[in-house]
Amino acid sequence: DIQMTQSPSSVSASVGDRVTITCRASQGVRNSLAWHQQKPGKAPRLLIFSASRLQSGVPSRFSGSGSETDFTLTISSLQPEDFATYYCQQSATVPITFGQGTRLEIK
Amino acid sequence: EVQLVESGGGLVQPGGSLKLSCAASGFTFSDSAIHWVRQASGKGLEWVGRITEKIHNYGTAFGASVKGRFIMSRDDSKNMAYLQMSSLETEDTAVYFCARAIPGTTFVEYWGQGTLVTVSS
Repeated sequence: DIQMTQSPSSVSASVGDRVTITCRASQGVRNSLAWHQQKPGKAPRLLIFSASRLQSGVPSRFSGSGSETDFTLTISSLQPEDFATYYCQQSATVPITFGQGTRLEIK
Repeated sequence: EVQLVESGGGLVQPGGSLKLSCAASGFTFSDSAIHWVRQASGKGLEWVGRITEKIHNYGTAFGASVKGRFIMSRDDSKNMAYLQMSSLETEDTAVYFCARAIPGTTFVEYWGQGTLVTVSS
């Protein structure tokens, strides 16, 4: 199975900050990488797929990059509604696997 | 509007069985693979499995922790997907989400709100 490792596990930031979350795959996944956002008690929401494609309706302050084993999710200017947990997910091979999550907290 | 609504969760004893349903609307159900993902309380997301579209022969794949115990099916005429769970263990306690994939891809796109399964004596 492909292991997905996110860093950091948690991060504190302020409104307006730029934040970057990284995701590393244990083997190459090409660009088969997605990012999801989850708020407490809610279902996840797809933000980015194919490593860098913005899902419809997602604000442009979210961006993704990377390929094969190293990926990043960047939020260019944090908004209050962005405080949540973020998960990467590889879809290159089954079983599909998720990272352990990165909790983004208000500083 | 795309909607996925899970049902069928509840309390079940270890070793028991339960069948979850996922009702879909707002999109061409037969064109999308359906995934099941679960989340134990306070934990991360764990992929349970997926069933593909008819064009890909309704193929199924499962995560290691449920393989051999869970079965997925779908009824395209009713826009429904199902997760039959058997030999349930306490570790299967979680919120179970169904989700549709972006057509033609394996990317999970729209998620339901989830249904809670509790395995306890």
